[in-house]
Amino acid sequence: AQSVTQLGSHVSVSEGALVLLRCNYSSSVPPYLFWYVQYPNQGLQLLLKYTTGATLVKGINGFEAEFKKSETSFHLTKPSAHMSDAAEYFCAVSDPFGGSYIPTFGRGTSLIVHP
Amino acid sequence: KAGVTQTPRYLIKTRGQQVTLSCSPISGHRSVSWYQQTPGQGLQFLFEYFSETQRNKGNFPGRFSGRQFSNSRSEMNVSTLELGDSALYLCASSYRDKDTQYFGPGTRLTVL
Repeated sequence: AQSVTQLGSHVSVSEGALVLLRCNYSSSVPPYLFWYVQYPNQGLQLLLKYTTGATLVKGINGFEAEFKKSETSFHLTKPSAHMSDAAEYFCAVSDPFGGSYIPTFGRGTSLIVHP
Repeated sequence: KAGVTQTPRYLIKTRGQQVTLSCSPISGHRSVSWYQQTPGQGLQFLFEYFSETQRNKGNFPGRFSGRQFSNSRSEMNVSTLELGDSALYLCASSYRDKDTQYFGPGTRLTVL
């Protein structure tokens, strides 16, 4: 069965600092991997996804993530945090070719950005 | 293209009542999934419909049910509401079952 672990329920950074949100997964090969963002009182918005091909994936709002098969990781980064990045971030994994294509979500990481 | 829409956005019910939530997927999308989001349990999968058929079901009691219409719109129903059913209910649609899911804004259900 697929699973996702997001390390750190809260991450706090200063505006302009590097953002690093960690995600490790367990799945059959090859997995599909996703990062979603949720702002207060809103649904989830897709930031980026990895399906096949290039392991460094660029998303919206300056975010990117790198699929590292050997580490079973898909960490999300952004070089410089902005106040508007404060939100809840969810990593998700699905296994469309080996198991369930229904994504399994991590518990989420709340990103706090200090001025 | 319009996104996924959910109605109503907010709902207050009392224990024992039943509730119906509605979801309109992105035009052309045939797969609709429902999730329950709570602070304690996170995002939990309820069920998925594709071309009016339930394809997958999560680990929820039979009080939770759903259906999908020929135009891909979907409804979910919760009967005999319990306090623990208070949650944000999210609907997501995708073009095909294996494609990326796009989420609606959710319906915030409060059970008193």
